[in-house]
Amino acid sequence: GESVGLHLPTLSVQEGDNSIINCAYSNSASDYFIWYKQESGKGPQFIIDIRSNMDKRQGQRVTVLLNKTVKHLSLQIAATQPGDSAVYFCAENMITGNQFYFGTGTSLTVIP
Amino acid sequence: NAGVTQTPKFQVLKTGQSMTLQCAQDMNHEYMSWYRQDPGMGLRLIHYSVGAGITDQGEVPNGYNVSRSTTEDFPLRLLSAAPSQTSVYFCASSIRGMAQYFGPGTRLLVL
Repeated sequence: GESVGLHLPTLSVQEGDNSIINCAYSNSASDYFIWYKQESGKGPQFIIDIRSNMDKRQGQRVTVLLNKTVKHLSLQIAATQPGDSAVYFCAENMITGNQFYFGTGTSLTVIP
Repeated sequence: NAGVTQTPKFQVLKTGQSMTLQCAQDMNHEYMSWYRQDPGMGLRLIHYSVGAGITDQGEVPNGYNVSRSTTEDFPLRLLSAAPSQTSVYFCASSIRGMAQYFGPGTRLLVL
């Protein structure tokens, strides 16, 4: 099966700094990618998505970058806040398919 | 909108018991799915449905059954609980091909 992986299982940043969370995907046919945030004891929460016809998409304090050449996805969080502490997952999907594949997650800790 | 709701929040079962995890959504989403989440592992797809009356297996379907009689509801049945099914279960829904919205999860402990 296909796999979605993360380079760093844990990340600690100072409050106010920028955070970068990385993800590698293996299915070159995947054309839709999503970042989720999961706080302790809660379900995953949608943050931002990107389709393969784009290489960058920005939201409020978050930016997703997609590099299809090396099959790499990243999530950038600007001015990281304590409320950003959570586990972040990437997921991939083929727009014509029915199944999403999730990475194992990166735990982000923001140090006040 | 309540979004995706799941009941119960927490359940303890004995080996061999059966139970149904409930999932409902009020967003008129055609696509619904069930995942389990275990420590150190990503979300793994158990079963999914692309519409009422249509279900299919995911990555880890053994020991679980599903049905989809309405757009809103997608229950997950454990036929004969085993300790290996101790996990956190998440239901999700979406418009097909779009990001999924997840419920709050059901924490299941099988003794």
